[in-house]
Amino acid sequence: GQQVMQIPQYQHVQEGEDFTTYCNSSTTLSNIQWYKQRPGGHPVFLIQLVKSGEVKKQKRLTFQFGEAKKNSSLHITATQTTDVGTYFCAVITQGGSEKLVFGKGTKLTVNP
Amino acid sequence: DGGITQSPKYLFRKEGQNVTLSCEQNLNHDAMYWYRQDPGQGLRLIYYSQIVNDFQKGDIAEGYSVSREKKESFPLTVTSAQKNPTAFYLCASSIAGRRNTQYFGPGTRLTVL
Repeated sequence: GQQVMQIPQYQHVQEGEDFTTYCNSSTTLSNIQWYKQRPGGHPVFLIQLVKSGEVKKQKRLTFQFGEAKKNSSLHITATQTTDVGTYFCAVITQGGSEKLVFGKGTKLTVNP
Repeated sequence: DGGITQSPKYLFRKEGQNVTLSCEQNLNHDAMYWYRQDPGQGLRLIYYSQIVNDFQKGDIAEGYSVSREKKESFPLTVTSAQKNPTAFYLCASSIAGRRNTQYFGPGTRLTVL
């Protein structure tokens, strides 16, 4: 079935450093979504990318969708302690269902 | 307020007992989902329902059962057949449509003793 590989699994940074997490698929994706889960919380939708080469920004967060629509990245500039949590990418499965397949997530910790 | 509620937040059960987790939404969403989350495993789909009185198995349905008698409600039963039921269970809902985002409830942390 549809799978998406997300790396790295863990990332520790000093406050103020940048952070990037990557999602890769062996097949072309129709779209990709990103979610953030704070420690002890539930996933919260951040953004959806649909177009080849698309770049979207939300304040210090930059999301990219690859030209071939097989990979995506989330980059955080100058991390803050409020950025801690696990970031997941999610993709729609092939076929007619509305199932999302989630990457295993990247857990970000920020040292103040 | 609109949203998804799950209850209880923490649940303890003895091994061999069935337990039902509640999920209710007032977002008027057609689709609802149940996920299981284990450390380092991400979210794995247990069951999903795109319409009332219909549901489909996800990737790890064995040992679980669901019902969808009302649009607002999608309860999950963890049966005694589930070999390792201790986990964090998340319910989500979305508007019907393949590009629509999912909204998650706060989750239920189940511990089987």
